Amino acid sequence: QKEVEQNSGPLSVPEGAIASLNCTYSDRGSQSFFWYRQYSGKSPELIMFIYSNGDKEDGRFTAQLNKASQYVSLLIRDSQPSDSATYLCAVKSSVRDDKIIFGKGTRLHILP
Amino acid sequence: DGGITQSPKYLFRKEGQNVTLSCEQNLNHDAMYWYRQDPGQGLRLIYYSQIVNDFQKGDIAEGYSVSREKKESFPLTVTSAQKNPTAFYLCASSIVGTGGLQPQHFGDGTRLSIL
Repeated sequence: QKEVEQNSGPLSVPEGAIASLNCTYSDRGSQSFFWYRQYSGKSPELIMFIYSNGDKEDGRFTAQLNKASQYVSLLIRDSQPSDSATYLCAVKSSVRDDKIIFGKGTRLHILP
Repeated sequence: DGGITQSPKYLFRKEGQNVTLSCEQNLNHDAMYWYRQDPGQGLRLIYYSQIVNDFQKGDIAEGYSVSREKKESFPLTVTSAQKNPTAFYLCASSIVGTGGLQPQHFGDGTRLSIL
């Protein structure tokens, strides 16, 4: 089982709609969860982090965490063409010397 | 402005040559990391350091070496033993603490290619 798993996409979403990105993880003891956005050819940029079960909202972004089911998701409301990027899910592992484990990312394409 | 500076942006390596990628941060972060990213792939950890003069191997350390002589600097050397060095190299840093949130912040990356 992969440690952090994401659907590679591409996920195509019409402009103005809600984009939903999902991530599952294998380490039940994981404590911290991060979402990074990476534009093509650029470095990852931190956009959200969450560590408690439930929802966390920041502008158009909402991170959702369900530790019992071991998944974390990112919702992007009112999607814009500038949201087109690869979104990386990252999990701080409790058994891997506190290292952050990254998923391979989901490519999101917002259709104008 | 505080941040992480990687140089050079592009680097070319000849056969049998060692090359060094620079990473400097002025965020006063204790921890620094090197990742490798291949097309369509996630980030793979090469080396990391949580304190000056100490570092640990990540998942793909073979063919690479690092040093941490100063808190601000964590250079990565890609040695001739690394047979497939073509990749996007990313340096990151974070604070160190117990509990949860120590998000990593990234530099702009160095793209390494073989001549």
